[in-house]
Amino acid sequence: NAGVMQNPRHLVRRRGQEARLRCSPMKGHSHVYWYRQLPEEGLKFMVYLQKENIIDESGMPKERFSAEFPKEGPSILRIQQVVRGDSAAYFCASSPKVTDTQYFGPGTRLTVL
Amino acid sequence: SQQGEEDPQALSIQEGENATMNCSYKTSINNLQWYRQNSGRGLVHLILIRSNEREKHSGRLRVTLDTSKKSSSLLITASRAADTASYFCATGMNTGGFKTIFGAGTRLFVKA
Repeated sequence: NAGVMQNPRHLVRRRGQEARLRCSPMKGHSHVYWYRQLPEEGLKFMVYLQKENIIDESGMPKERFSAEFPKEGPSILRIQQVVRGDSAAYFCASSPKVTDTQYFGPGTRLTVL
Repeated sequence: SQQGEEDPQALSIQEGENATMNCSYKTSINNLQWYRQNSGRGLVHLILIRSNEREKHSGRLRVTLDTSKKSSSLLITASRAADTASYFCATGMNTGGFKTIFGAGTRLFVKA
């Protein structure tokens, strides 16, 4: 059973471009979570999704950020018109039930030039 | 301030010693999880303890949970240089939608 997969592992974008981060949960997991981590800090919750539904997006900036988890395919975190402050590591986690252990992917490190 | 706050922020010990990290939180929780993160890497899940549990063990790890004090501790016994990492507690709670909140972490350095 493969773990949580994220790609790309590293992503470089110029200011104003779009960034698309992908997350494939573990097999059998229908709950996906996205977190952002700045250097030397803890993880900040962004959004929690189940298949085709956003359950909690209270940690997501109101503008430029969106997330989806379609019926087929990976979950996508999309950042439009990136700014330097978006540079961070973005981690995805999945779990079989919402109250269960969350298993984390290796993260995508976004650098905005 | 954050729901989960670890204490101390940083800890440096000799190999073979025990390391204790604490986590305090503010609101009622469903569960509390401890994770380890090596520099620049993803998070590795260590232990999940539910709100109706008081103590759990896994190898050299021991986690306690005191819901009356809203605190948890992670004890690593007989530490090794490979235990050097950041350790995070994460509280899971039902707040009209389940959410997991991470603390800022304790940076543990084990000297060989």
